[in-house]
Amino acid sequence: GENVEQHPSTLSVQEGDSAVIKCTYSDSASNYFPWYKQELGKRPQLIIDIRSNVGEKKDQRIAVTLNKTAKHFSLHITETQPEDSAVYFCAADYGQNFVFGPGTRLSVLP
Amino acid sequence: GAVVSQHPSWVICKSGTSVKIECRSLDFQATTMFWYRQFPKQSLMLMATSNEGSKATYEQGVEKDKFLINHASLTLSTLTVTSAHPEDSSFYICSAADRGNSPLHFGNGTRLTVT
Repeated sequence: GENVEQHPSTLSVQEGDSAVIKCTYSDSASNYFPWYKQELGKRPQLIIDIRSNVGEKKDQRIAVTLNKTAKHFSLHITETQPEDSAVYFCAADYGQNFVFGPGTRLSVLP
Repeated sequence: GAVVSQHPSWVICKSGTSVKIECRSLDFQATTMFWYRQFPKQSLMLMATSNEGSKATYEQGVEKDKFLINHASLTLSTLTVTSAHPEDSSFYICSAADRGNSPLHFGNGTRLTVT
């Protein structure tokens, strides 16, 4: 089955710095990779996604890159702000379902 | 955009009782809905895939007789935790996609506390 690894598990950055979270997946058939942000006690919210026919996608301060050959994809947040503090989950599609990474707790220090 | 509504948002029940959680897709039809369980500081664990008009598909280790899933319509799936015990206390979240290979939309989640 599909397995998604995510690193780091925790990440602390100074406000204004960049944050990078990396994920790897195992199933070469996966072709859709969303990223979710989850604040404490709330539901995960989709923040950006990428499909396998694209290598990079950007939306303001957030970008995602995909290396399908290496089965890696990464989330990049630039100019981090305190409100970016949350848990971030990567995911890869697997059949009709998604497999989630274990999550990264991002703390942006003012 | 696509919205998934989940109720209740929190519930406290006594050990041995049953609790029903509803998940509705408000502006799209969802032939498939997913139920997750999330422990503190952990990722989303898929419990089961709910298919409209047919039996749910349960993940390994999830007791189908304890976690009853009903997906009677294209917009509603329910999860019933039967004979709840304190170890069932958790955050339960449903999700659905409005079409294949598209983003999942999550409900707000239900925090279940069994006393």
